[in-house]
Amino acid sequence: GQSLEQPSEVTAVEGAIVQINCTYQTSGFYGLSWYQQHDGGAPTFLSYNALDGLEETGRFSSFLSRSDSYGYLLLQELQMKDSASYFCAVRAINTGGFKTIFGAGTRLFVKA
Amino acid sequence: DTEVTQTPKHLVMGMTNKKSLKCEQHMGHRAMYWYKQKAKKPPELMFVYSYEKLSINESVPSRFSPECPNSSLLNLHLHALQPEDSALYLCASSQESGDYEQYFGPGTRLTVT
Repeated sequence: GQSLEQPSEVTAVEGAIVQINCTYQTSGFYGLSWYQQHDGGAPTFLSYNALDGLEETGRFSSFLSRSDSYGYLLLQELQMKDSASYFCAVRAINTGGFKTIFGAGTRLFVKA
Repeated sequence: DTEVTQTPKHLVMGMTNKKSLKCEQHMGHRAMYWYKQKAKKPPELMFVYSYEKLSINESVPSRFSPECPNSSLLNLHLHALQPEDSALYLCASSQESGDYEQYFGPGTRLTVT
């Protein structure tokens, strides 16, 4: 089966750094993605890790440890517009091909 | 053009109605997806089309019937839905099936009365 765990809510102040963790148990694991979704909006792709280590894209970084079945999204220099839901998603292969399975999501509240 | 469009934005239908949701992309992507998202929940995969052929059906009830008329279009035909089917229906596309970067449309907010 597939399961992902991430905190349901995180609150941080503007300008701070926040880390959103994700642990997974997935057969056929290939990689871990992160998506952002504002209320009423569509999910938008942020990053993907297939190999262990840190990937940096501007203010956002994502980390993966395959041996620990663990990853995180790091958001730096938080801005009010970063208030949104963040989903980790595993990319896994099984019968029928690759699938993307989303975690339950973490709601990030950024305070002034 | 990196946009996935969906129509209609909102849909209210009775349990005996038949309606269709439409999705379009012009990025040359060969994979298209339907997801269902309930409030404060993650998107749940329903169907995957790869090169216009259905490759994954996540045991979705037959009252939901997908169709991929061509590589740019994806439809979801709805019939005899239940109130619990009320949700946001998201369409997505990617270069190839299972690619990690999927482009999502804005969704259709469906209410079944």
